[in-house]
Amino acid sequence: GAGVSQSPSNKVTEKGKDVELRCDPISGHTALYWYRQSLGQGLEFLIYFQGNSAPDKSGLPSDRFSAERTGGSVSTLTIQRTQQEDSAVYLCASSLSGSFSFFGPGTRLTVL
Amino acid sequence: QQQVKQSPQSLIVQKGGISIINCAYENTAFDYFPWYQQFPGKGPALLIAIRPDVSEKKEGRFTISFNKSAKQFSLHIMDSQPGDSATYFCAAFRPDSNYQLIWGAGTKLIIKP
Repeated sequence: GAGVSQSPSNKVTEKGKDVELRCDPISGHTALYWYRQSLGQGLEFLIYFQGNSAPDKSGLPSDRFSAERTGGSVSTLTIQRTQQEDSAVYLCASSLSGSFSFFGPGTRLTVL
Repeated sequence: QQQVKQSPQSLIVQKGGISIINCAYENTAFDYFPWYQQFPGKGPALLIAIRPDVSEKKEGRFTISFNKSAKQFSLHIMDSQPGDSATYFCAAFRPDSNYQLIWGAGTKLIIKP
C-alpha cells in the first residue's frame, strides 16, 4: 500500500480481555517498530522487528505484551488480560534499514 | 547517553512569529537528526532532517540549526501559522542501535491567530 496502515483504528475492551492490534507496513520495508503513546505524552518504544525477527523487545512493559511478524510484512501486537493502564494509542512505523520511519495512524485502545 | 532532551514542553507563539524548539544529546555516535510533526489523531510524520556534517538545513518555513560542538540542534518555524499547531518531536538515530530512533519528549506548539 501507499502508507502504513493499522487496524482497528479504535478498540474498546473490558479489563481482563485480550486484544490484537494489526500493522501493515509499507511494502518492502524490512524494519518495523511498535510504539505506545499515552494522551499528551511522547513515544514509548515497545519492540523492533528486522524481517521476522525481533532483535529488540526491551520496551515491552510486561509479559502480557507480545508481538509477531510474519512474511516480513504484517505484524500483530497482542495484549493479554488488558489493564486500564494499557489504554493508549499504539503506533506502528516501518522503514528501510538505515532510513527514516513512516508511521501509521495508530490504534486507540481504551480499556474500561 | 541514549537520551535526547527536548524543550520547551509547550510553546505558544503569535501568528507570524518565529517558533523555536530545542534539542540536546550526549552520544556523539548519533548521525542523523529528524524532526517529526504530529497532528491530533494522526501518527507522527517526518518534517525535516539533518546530518551532523551540515550546520543548517532549510525547507520552506522550517529550518534546522545544528551545533555539533555543543551537541544541540533546533527547529525554527518562520512566519508561524495556525496550521503549524501540532506536537513536534526531535529524534536522533544511531546506525549501530538496530536503527532505532531515540526520541525527545515532544513540544506542543500552539499558534495563536
